[in-house]
Amino acid sequence: NAGVTQTPKFQVLKTGQSMTLQCAQDMNHNSMYWYRQDPGMGLRLIYYSASEGTTDKGEVPNGYNVSRLNKREFSLRLESAAPSQTSVYFCASSVWLANTGELFFGEGSRLTVL
Amino acid sequence: AQKITQTQPGMFVQEKEAVTLDCTYDTSDPSYGLFWYKQPSSGEMIFLIYQGSYDQQNATEGRYSLNFQKARKSANLVISASQLGDSAMYFCAMREGDNAGNMLTFGGGTRLMVKP
Repeated sequence: NAGVTQTPKFQVLKTGQSMTLQCAQDMNHNSMYWYRQDPGMGLRLIYYSASEGTTDKGEVPNGYNVSRLNKREFSLRLESAAPSQTSVYFCASSVWLANTGELFFGEGSRLTVL
Repeated sequence: AQKITQTQPGMFVQEKEAVTLDCTYDTSDPSYGLFWYKQPSSGEMIFLIYQGSYDQQNATEGRYSLNFQKARKSANLVISASQLGDSAMYFCAMREGDNAGNMLTFGGGTRLMVKP
């Protein structure tokens, strides 16, 4: 009963380092999303993938790249981390254009950039 | 302009009482959906309730109901009979249009604290 699994859960980086956040879902959803949540704020969409083979920018895509590896997996890469990217990152998945549009979220990945 | 506005940064409610969390939204699209999510201190996001713009009746899910006032563009969450476990951050979110998939825009959240 895994749902959406994110790794790692915690990461500390130095400015300029790179890293990849991994996300996998086992619910056979076609759509996947990456959000970030800054302290005291709501979630903001970074990138999304409506279906396997497609990715699109969200509200705050600068400094990030994504890869939809297959239907299950959607990764987020920081090529050159900056302190402004310190945040909690959430991966989510859903059925595209479902009646309720419920997003299923992972537990979050807390990233600190020094 | 903010698409989703939650004007209450924090609220207290006595256990067993009802509480209303405010949410106003801004969209020119006639087709949209409104959501509420709960985020406990452990950090996960938990879906609570959904209201579609064309739904005639207010949505209800157990102790949660959504007071949908379309003309006022408000979608307030009502929690009846508050429990200590309801203490959490609550986020209102919106999906616009029929072709936007499930991309949601979130408000800034309201922290609810339930007093015993």
